[in-house]
Amino acid sequence: EPEVTQTPSHQVTQMGQEVILRCVPISNHLYFYWYRQILGQKVEFLVSFYNNEISEKSEIFDDQFSVERPDGSNFTLKIRSTKLEDSAMYFCASVWNGDGTVAFFGQGTRLTVV
Amino acid sequence: SQQGEEDPQALSIQEGENATMNCSYKTSINNLQWYRQNSGRGLVHLILIRSNEREKHSGRLRVTLDTSKKSSSLLITASRAADTASYFCATAPFGNEKLTFGTGTRLTIIP
Repeated sequence: EPEVTQTPSHQVTQMGQEVILRCVPISNHLYFYWYRQILGQKVEFLVSFYNNEISEKSEIFDDQFSVERPDGSNFTLKIRSTKLEDSAMYFCASVWNGDGTVAFFGQGTRLTVV
Repeated sequence: SQQGEEDPQALSIQEGENATMNCSYKTSINNLQWYRQNSGRGLVHLILIRSNEREKHSGRLRVTLDTSKKSSSLLITASRAADTASYFCATAPFGNEKLTFGTGTRLTIIP
């Protein structure tokens, strides 16, 4: 069964460093998302991406964050200068189309900022 | 209450019993989905129910949706130890696949 894959599974970084989280969505899907989950809290929407551009972003997704689909298969989330409060599990998701279909999530990247 | 709020927050039952979790939401939705998350792991999609549906079944899962009350319930019948996980409801509005997740119910099945 097709699946969304994320790398790395765990990343530890020093505060102020840049990190790039990688995702390979399901190949024929058209909509891509990043969500995050701070430990013990609910899953929060960060950004949606369609047709090679951001379609919606949350308040969390400030100038420190960016997304890119550089080569038609990978979908990346970059955090330019990490803060301690960026420590969380980051999930990538993809959806086939925009008509109420299922979102498939990756296994997540646990980001720890020290 | 928040958009997508589950109750109870935690539930412990004996293996073989049925588990019921509830979710309430605030805004109009296109569909509501239930996900399972094992500790520290990814989100696994369980079932999707559309706004024009009232009940849906998938194996041991039964989901109901009451749009007039803006609520949904997830019933897991004949629970197993492997069902131990956190369960989240997530709503999607019309014209947008962005999901708004609830706070989750932590289900523990006691063997």
